Amino acid sequence: GAGVSQSPRYKVTKRGQDVALRCDPISGHVSLYWYRQALGQGPEFLTYFNYEAQQDKSGLPNDRFSAERPEGSISTLTIQRTEQRDSAMYRCASSLASGPASGYTFGSGTRLTVV
Amino acid sequence: QQQVKQSPQSLIVQKGGISIINCAYENTAFDYFPWYQQFPGKGPALLIAIRPDVSEKKEGRFTISFNKSAKQFSLHIMDSQPGDSATYFCAAPLGNNQGGKLIFGQGTELSVKP
Repeated sequence: GAGVSQSPRYKVTKRGQDVALRCDPISGHVSLYWYRQALGQGPEFLTYFNYEAQQDKSGLPNDRFSAERPEGSISTLTIQRTEQRDSAMYRCASSLASGPASGYTFGSGTRLTVV
Repeated sequence: QQQVKQSPQSLIVQKGGISIINCAYENTAFDYFPWYQQFPGKGPALLIAIRPDVSEKKEGRFTISFNKSAKQFSLHIMDSQPGDSATYFCAAPLGNNQGGKLIFGQGTELSVKP
C-alpha cells in the first residue's frame, strides 16, 4: 500500500480482555517496529522485526505483550489481560532497510482505551 | 538509561521568525540524529537527519546543527510558517546502534502565529 496501515483506528476494551492490533507495512519494507506513544510524549520503543524474525523485544513492558510477523509482512501486537495502564496510542512503523538511517514511515496508530 | 532530553516543551513563534528546538544526548556512541514532525491525528514523519561527522545539515528552511563536544543537536526552522505548526521530536539510535530502533525526545509543540 501507499503507507503503513493500522487497524483498528480506535479500540475500547474492558479490563481483562485480550486485544490484537494489526499493522500492514509498506510493501517491501524489511523492518517493522512497534512503538507506544502516551499523550504529550514521544514514541517509546516496544519491539521490532526484520522480515519475520523478531530481533528485539526488550521494550515490551511485560509478558502480557507479544508480537508476531509470521510471513514477514503484516504484524500483530497482542496484549493479554489488558489493564488500564495499557491505554495509549500504539504506533507501527516500517523501513525499507534495517539500520537507524533508513528512516521510518509511521502509521496513524491505534488508540487503545482500557475501561 | 539512555535518554534524549528535548527543550522547550512548547514554543510560540511569529510568522517569518526562527524556531529553535534543542536536544541533548548522553550516549556518545550515537551516530544518527533524526528529527520527526507530527501533525495532530497523524504519525510522526521523518523531517531531516544528521550524522555527527558534519556539524550542520540544511534542507530548505530546516537546518540541524550538531555540537559533538556538548552532546547537543538542534533544529532551526527559518522563516517559520503557520503550516509548520506541529509537534517536533528529536531522536537517536537506541541501544547499540543496530537495528534501527530509536529513542525519542519528549517533543516540542510549535505554534506559528500568522
